[in-house]
Amino acid sequence: DTGVSQDPRHKITKRGQNVTFRCDPISEHNRLYWYRQTLGQGPEFLTYFQNEAQLEKSRLLSDRFSAERPKGSFSTLEIQRTEQGDSAMYLCASSFSLSGNYGYTFGSGTRLTVV
Amino acid sequence: TQLLEQSPQFLSIQEGENLTVYCNSSSVFSSLQWYRQEPGEGPVLLVTVVTGGEVKKLKRLTFQFGDARKDSSLHITAAQPGDTGLYLCAYAGGGADGLTFGKGTHLIIQP
Repeated sequence: DTGVSQDPRHKITKRGQNVTFRCDPISEHNRLYWYRQTLGQGPEFLTYFQNEAQLEKSRLLSDRFSAERPKGSFSTLEIQRTEQGDSAMYLCASSFSLSGNYGYTFGSGTRLTVV
Repeated sequence: TQLLEQSPQFLSIQEGENLTVYCNSSSVFSSLQWYRQEPGEGPVLLVTVVTGGEVKKLKRLTFQFGDARKDSSLHITAAQPGDTGLYLCAYAGGGADGLTFGKGTHLIIQP
């Protein structure tokens, strides 16, 4: 297993465009998380899936953001009508529920720049 | 949401020096985690501390969980340029089933 993979690594888009990011978790992990990290801050929780069910969404996840994990494997995060404030690193992490609160593995992230 | 305060925010020292960074809160935690993040990469888990007063060592890194489980520290002995990065503390169970992070300590070790 190669760990958590995220694609693309970098994305530059014009304000108002839609963007979609993909995350492939570790295959044995049934939990998948999305985080956003802006410059000088720690990662902030956005949303969480257990298998294909989206169980929690942060208030940070406005209605322009949508996440899916249709078959309980890979996940996508879409941002519609991007704004300059959406510029950030978007991180995906996965874990196995029986590991409790431990065992999070992060991907390398997708760096989004909205111009 | 419980707040994690990390200090110092920035630290730049010479190779070979020792340093300590802190993660403090007024809340009690069942566990805390420490991560290191290099530029352009995701955080990598270093250690999880669970028991009050617990000390864990990872080569030149020593992690301590406060007796009251409200704070934690990371001590690096004989720092090396490879230790450069953003050190984050985090706790799980902040009501969102995900991790809540502090803002981190940016550490630069100069050769």
